[in-house]
Amino acid sequence: EIVLTQSPGTLSLSPGERATLSCRASQSFSSSYLAWYQQKPGQAPRLLIYGASSRATGIPDRFSGSGSGTDFTLTISRLEPEDFAVYYCQQYGNPPRTFGQGTKVEIK
Amino acid sequence: EVQLVESGGGLVQPGRSLRLSCAASGFTFDDYAMHWVRQAPGKGLEWVSGITWNSGSIGYADSVKGRFTISRDNAKNSLYLQMNSLRAEDTALYYCAKDFRRLRFLDNWFDSWGQGTLVTVSS
Repeated sequence: EIVLTQSPGTLSLSPGERATLSCRASQSFSSSYLAWYQQKPGQAPRLLIYGASSRATGIPDRFSGSGSGTDFTLTISRLEPEDFAVYYCQQYGNPPRTFGQGTKVEIK
Repeated sequence: EVQLVESGGGLVQPGRSLRLSCAASGFTFDDYAMHWVRQAPGKGLEWVSGITWNSGSIGYADSVKGRFTISRDNAKNSLYLQMNSLRAEDTALYYCAKDFRRLRFLDNWFDSWGQGTLVTVSS
């Protein structure tokens, strides 16, 4: 089973700042099969990125994903008030699908 | 619009059983693999089980293998999770999730989620 480790655990930033979230895998997996999800309190997760760098439908272009192999990054170029949430990475290249433990982006 | 509505959660004693349901609408249900993903209170996400569009392939997390059974009824656009021998560590919000790509089980990701149904295992 591939273990995904996200860092940092919490990111304290102000609106308008840039957020950089990391996701590291315990082993390389197929073809950048990595997704990112956003979860707000009391809500279901929402797909942001798939294939490591493709934005899902309706996701603003301030969200971008990059990386390959074992190291992946989610970048939010300028934080909007609605972006403060928990973000999870998830790999789907090697069964079972596994998630990182999450990074909380909070208002500083 | 895709809609996934879970039901069947509740308070149950350790060792007992519970059956969750997920009613799907807004897409061609029998073209997509479906999954259960859970989230313990204050914790992260854990994939529990998945089933292909035709029930031909099924997978389980090691933590539930032998205790949980996933199934689907394409005529009713419904997904199920039979949970037996429940343990305290099964306490979680259980989400029903749809895959993005039609007719694919591997190399696929979750693109739609329900709001979840809460299962609490406690005496």
